[in-house]
Amino acid sequence: GQQVMQIPQYQHVQEGEDFTTYCNSSTTLSNIQWYKQRPGGHPVFLIQLVKSGEVKKQKRLTFQFGEAKKNSSLHITATQTTDVGTYFCAGSLSGTYKYIFGTGTRLKVLA
Amino acid sequence: DTAVSQTPKYLVTQMGNDKSIKCEQNLGHDTMYWYKQDSKKFLKIMFSYNNKELIINETVPNRFSPKSPDKAHLNLHINSLELGDSAVYFCASSPVRKVAEAFFGQGTRLTVV
Repeated sequence: GQQVMQIPQYQHVQEGEDFTTYCNSSTTLSNIQWYKQRPGGHPVFLIQLVKSGEVKKQKRLTFQFGEAKKNSSLHITATQTTDVGTYFCAGSLSGTYKYIFGTGTRLKVLA
Repeated sequence: DTAVSQTPKYLVTQMGNDKSIKCEQNLGHDTMYWYKQDSKKFLKIMFSYNNKELIINETVPNRFSPKSPDKAHLNLHINSLELGDSAVYFCASSPVRKVAEAFFGQGTRLTVV
């Protein structure tokens, strides 16, 4: 079945350092979404990417969708303690409502 | 106003019991989901309904049965609870449009003892 893996599983960074999480799908995706889940919280939607090679920015966050639409990345510049949480990608196959969530990357930011 | 609300927030029960989790959304969305998040934080889709019709039914034990009385509600009933059912269960809803972001409820932490 379709699998979506994320690396790294965990990342500890010093506040001010950059952070990147990578998402890889075993199959070509129609689109990809990114979510953030704070400790003890629920996933919150960040963004959706649809086009091959698409790059979107939200303040310090940069999202990229690979040319083959099988991978994606989220880069955070100059992390802050408020960035702490687990970041999930979620990929969808064409014509389905089904989003397969990645394995998640848990980010800790040390002040 | 809470967009997607689940009840109860916490549920502790003994093995073998039957329990239900309720979910309601006031966003007017057509699609609702149930996800299970285990202790390793893996989020796995269980079911999805679109306008009261079951459209996604993953490999989930028959003991789990979703029910959607209308498009604003999606409940989850679990029979004969087992220790391995302990997890956080999230309800979510999404619109049917180009950017179909999912809005998640606060989660129900189920502990089977």
